[in-house]
Amino acid sequence: EDQVTQSPEALRLQEGESSSLNCSYTVSGLRGLFWYRQDPGKGPEFLFTLYSAGEEKEKERLKATLTKKESFLHITAPKPEDSATYLCAASYNTDKLIFGTGTRLQVFP
Amino acid sequence: ETGVTQTPRHLVMGMTNKKSLKCEQHLGHNAMYWYKQSAKKPLELMFVYNFKEQTENNSVPSRFSPECPNSSHLFLHLHTLQPEDSALYLCASSQDADQETQYFGPGTRLLVL
Repeated sequence: EDQVTQSPEALRLQEGESSSLNCSYTVSGLRGLFWYRQDPGKGPEFLFTLYSAGEEKEKERLKATLTKKESFLHITAPKPEDSATYLCAASYNTDKLIFGTGTRLQVFP
Repeated sequence: ETGVTQTPRHLVMGMTNKKSLKCEQHLGHNAMYWYKQSAKKPLELMFVYNFKEQTENNSVPSRFSPECPNSSHLFLHLHTLQPEDSALYLCASSQDADQETQYFGPGTRLLVL
C-alpha cells in the first residue's frame, strides 16, 4: 500500500531559526509530490509540485526539494506568519492523492 | 468569486437530519473531489468526479451521497449521519483527474450531535 509519512509531527521555531520538514513516500510509481500549507479552519493552500529527483522549487522563505525516497520543505529565517500545518501528498498510477498527517509548525517572535 | 467556494462553512445537525454541502469552482476545471479531514488523520478521499462522471467511491458509507450536475458544482448530501462523521469536509478541483494539482475550498466544519 502506498504511504506518505511526515516528520516531525510538530515543530516549534524561534523567528529566524531555519529548519526542514521531511516527507517520506513509497518510491515505486511516484508521479508527483505535492506540498500544501493549511491554516486552522481553512482548506489546504497549494505550494509546490515536484516530479523528479533533484528538482527544487522556491517561494519566498520556502524551498521544496525531492530525492529518490523523500522530499524536504526547507524554511529559511521563518516569521510568525509562516506558522501553519504543512501537508505533503504523493500521486501514483491512480486518480488519488495520498496525504501525510502533516507537520504543525509554530514560529515564535 | 474566485477559486473554490464551499457553503455552508459550519453545520450542526442531528443524526436524523438531512442536509447538503455545496461546492463551486470558478477555475474552469473538469475534476472535482470530496475529502474528509479528521483530527490527527490524513485527508481521506471520498469521491472523485471527472467530466461529471463519478470515477472514485472510496468505500464511503451510503449515508453520504454525492451529486455533480455540471463540472462547476458538486454537492454532498448527508442523511442519518453518526457522531463519528463530525469532521472538516473539503472540496477540491483540478484541471482533470489525471493527477493535476488540486485546489481546495475552505471546507465545511460539520458537527453531528
